[in-house]
Amino acid sequence: AQTVTQSQPEMSVQEAETVTLSCTYDTSENNYYLFWYKQPPSRQMILVIRQEAYKQQNATENRFSVNFQKAAKSFSLKISDSQLGDTAMYFCAFMKDYGNNRLAFGKGNQVVVIP
Amino acid sequence: GAGVSQSPSNKVTEKGKDVELRCDPISGHTALYWYRQSLGQGLEFLIYFQGNSAPDKSGLPSDRFSAERTGGSVSTLTIQRTQQEDSAVYLCASSLARLGRAQETQYFGPGTRLLVL
Repeated sequence: AQTVTQSQPEMSVQEAETVTLSCTYDTSENNYYLFWYKQPPSRQMILVIRQEAYKQQNATENRFSVNFQKAAKSFSLKISDSQLGDTAMYFCAFMKDYGNNRLAFGKGNQVVVIP
Repeated sequence: GAGVSQSPSNKVTEKGKDVELRCDPISGHTALYWYRQSLGQGLEFLIYFQGNSAPDKSGLPSDRFSAERTGGSVSTLTIQRTQQEDSAVYLCASSLARLGRAQETQYFGPGTRLLVL
């Protein structure tokens, strides 16, 4: 079974600054997908960014970018120009390229953006 | 278009009672998933439906848990004889995933918070 590890359970960042969340995973698969989801207090799990393992180029979505290191099995998320609306729990998730498509989640990182 | 919806938003029940949680996936999504989010266990996969195929029930924690999906759309998760350890947020997600191929992103509903007294 795949395991996903997130350290630094809670992080604070000043508005407009940058914060990086780390994620490592354990798998023997060669092809897979990685995701970052955010969960604000509303409970809604919202997709932030997605990375296909066969793509070497790091994914970016506006202020969100990842540093995907396949050999190290590392998948960190960088939030640039942090905004108050970024305050949320952030979950790293892994999905195999076949089978039942279940997501394996890390324990999450709480990010608090301070005005 | 409309996202994944779940009802009720919150549910309080007494130990030993049965509860039903409902999920309406995004229209056209063939795959539907249930996850449970609890303080002690984090986010856990429960069950997966794909089209008309037999569901993958490998994540259900006990035989008190069951789920069905009618007409390839709406799904109901039923917990019989609820226990206090069933207290959690139950999240539903849907995707365009095709059998045997992951590829598609899962989109989540707002969840149902279940409290068993």
